[in-house]
Amino acid sequence: DGGITQSPKYLFRKEGQNVTLSCEQNLNHDAMYWYRQDPGQGLRLIYYSQIVNDFQKGDIAEGYSVSREKKESFPLTVTSAQKNPTAFYLCASTKVGRGVYNEQFFGPGTRLTVL
Amino acid sequence: AQKVTQAQTEISVVEKEDVTLDCVYETRDTTYYLFWYKQPPSGELVFLIRRNSFDEQNEISGRYSWNFQKSTSSFNFTITASQVVDSAVYFCALSRNNFNKFYFGSGTKLNVKP
Repeated sequence: DGGITQSPKYLFRKEGQNVTLSCEQNLNHDAMYWYRQDPGQGLRLIYYSQIVNDFQKGDIAEGYSVSREKKESFPLTVTSAQKNPTAFYLCASTKVGRGVYNEQFFGPGTRLTVL
Repeated sequence: AQKVTQAQTEISVVEKEDVTLDCVYETRDTTYYLFWYKQPPSGELVFLIRRNSFDEQNEISGRYSWNFQKSTSSFNFTITASQVVDSAVYFCALSRNNFNKFYFGSGTKLNVKP
């Protein structure tokens, strides 16, 4: 079955530690995205990538880093520079191109808690 | 600039009532796309519908219907005869023609009580 997988589902981190959240898709989608969602809030864009080896900052990129070495994978690293990283993180992907229906498909999310 | 506003933060209804979720958007583009997503308590966003700016036809899918009006920049979502399983957070979103970024509203939490 095609889809987006995120791991782990729950992640606990001590202050000062970097952690990496995994996002993998087998939908052959070109673009991938990372969002952060705080309780009772909407989605805020962290980073996005439209092609391999290229990515752009979103609205809240400070304290985060990404890589896009493979089309299928877009891992997100939450660094110790992120002041308040406790949140729900969602990965999404979409096809790119004119005439193509480009809705974003989402993974199940990773809930990160800093202890 | 692109912006999506969902003014209703939370709505509570009793099962079988009809409910409309409002979405108002801002864009200067002539070509754009609008979306609705459902986020159940599990957290994963589920795609419900897309609409492009050239298609103002309303759409009905079972108990769900969508009313797109360019004149008022609105893309409202109605659930007829609501059910407890409809309880979720619903997000409206806008994307530009290049699909680089999606702009999400802040979401409306719908509580359907038995």
